[in-house]
Amino acid sequence: AQSVTQLDSQVPVFEEAPVELRCNYSSSVSVYLFWYVQYPNQGLQLLLKYLSGSTLVKGINGFEAEFNKSQTSFHLRKPSVHISDTAEYFCAVSASGNQFYFGTGTSLTVIP
Amino acid sequence: DVKVTQSSRYLVKRTGEKVFLECVQDMDHENMFWYRQDPGLGLRLIYFSYDVKMKEKGDIPEGYSVSREKKERFSLILESASTNQTSMYLCASTIGYQPQHFGDGTRLSIL
Repeated sequence: AQSVTQLDSQVPVFEEAPVELRCNYSSSVSVYLFWYVQYPNQGLQLLLKYLSGSTLVKGINGFEAEFNKSQTSFHLRKPSVHISDTAEYFCAVSASGNQFYFGTGTSLTVIP
Repeated sequence: DVKVTQSSRYLVKRTGEKVFLECVQDMDHENMFWYRQDPGLGLRLIYFSYDVKMKEKGDIPEGYSVSREKKERFSLILESASTNQTSMYLCASTIGYQPQHFGDGTRLSIL
C-alpha cells in the first residue's frame, strides 16, 4: 500500500507571498497524483492532477505542482497567495484507479 | 460537470440507532467510495465499490456496512451508531484512473 506524507500540518503565509506545500509518497512505481482543496464545511475540490506527460502541472486558481519521480514528491506551489486561498489542502496518490491514498492535509492560512 | 450528491449536510442521531447515509452520482462512474474525515487524520477509507453489488473493505470498515443496488447510488450504513462515529463523511466517485469527484459531505453527530 502507498503512504502519503504531508510534512506541514499548518502553513501560515502573508498575502501576496509565495507558498509551497510539500507532499511525498512512498512508492516509485507508476502513480497518479492529485492535489485537492477543501473549504470549510465542503467536500474536496480537485486543484490539479498528474497522470502522465510533463512533470510540471498547472491547476486552477494559479496553483501548480511538480512531479519528481526520483524524490517521490509532488509539491504544490503558488507564486502569490490571496486571502481566498485559506483552506485545507490534501495530496492524494493512486496506483490502481480504485485505491486512493490521502495525506493528512495541510491547513494554509493567508494573513492579511 | 460530475455531480455527487449526499443526502444530508448535517445529521444528528442517537447511540444505537441505525443510520443511513446516501450518495448519488450522475456520471455513470464505476467506482464509488465512502471516507470519514477527522481532524489530524485526513481521509480514511471505509468501503469502496467497483460495480453494482460489489464492495471492498477499506481501512476502517468496523461498525459500517454498504449497499450498492444501482450504479449511481452508494449507501453507507451504521448498524448501531456509537459516539465514536461522530465525524464528517465524504462520498466520492470516479472512473478509470481519473481523479475522484466528491460530494459536499455529511457532518454526523451521534449523541
